[in-house]
Amino acid sequence: DADVTQTPRNRITKTGKRIMLECSQTKGHDRMYWYRQDPGLGLRLIYYSFDVKDINKGEISDGYSVSRQAQAKFSLSLESAIPNQTALYFCATSDWTYTGELFFGEGSRLTVL
Amino acid sequence: DAKTTQPPSMDCAEGRAANLPCNHSTISGNEYVYWYRQIHSQGPQYIIHGLKNNETNEMASLIITEDRKSSTLILPHATLRDTAVYYCIGSSTGNTPLVFGKGTRLSVIA
Repeated sequence: DADVTQTPRNRITKTGKRIMLECSQTKGHDRMYWYRQDPGLGLRLIYYSFDVKDINKGEISDGYSVSRQAQAKFSLSLESAIPNQTALYFCATSDWTYTGELFFGEGSRLTVL
Repeated sequence: DAKTTQPPSMDCAEGRAANLPCNHSTISGNEYVYWYRQIHSQGPQYIIHGLKNNETNEMASLIITEDRKSSTLILPHATLRDTAVYYCIGSSTGNTPLVFGKGTRLSVIA
């Protein structure tokens, strides 16, 4: 099983719908991240959390919210999805020593019609 | 975080060394150079990182110039499976999440 698991892997939804992307990890890491990737572009940081009680906005947090339910779980929500949120979303983790090594999930491909 | 500049694409013959350059002229003294790669649409994979000294691991070597304004990632014997987008990132450790640019798309050609 993957150390960082994202669900769903693919989702097609309609404008205005609420969507939740879930991430769980078995690495025991304190730090978790959500990134977004658009075609031909690098990854952009949406939100990150350094522990269960810590939530921080990244460079593109507008239109998104997150919940850190436990050390192992970090969910990303789109309260009212819009077409320009169509993208590939990645969850990542790192340990508290933060040596710079991130461990990524396999990605969740979201299409908003 | 230091701004990095990478060529958008490169080709390399299979079996030859792939040398991927990165300019980071604004890097500060406490910022590391990180390299990741992303194969197709998979999650990025950590390759290596360094501060001042050259580094080597089972995947690659990292050569950092003495003035730390640029670096080169070396894949010693590129294979078709090394075809990917390679990201060079300058960042301090601690509480700053990594910022990924557009990277270099490396195509290994048979």
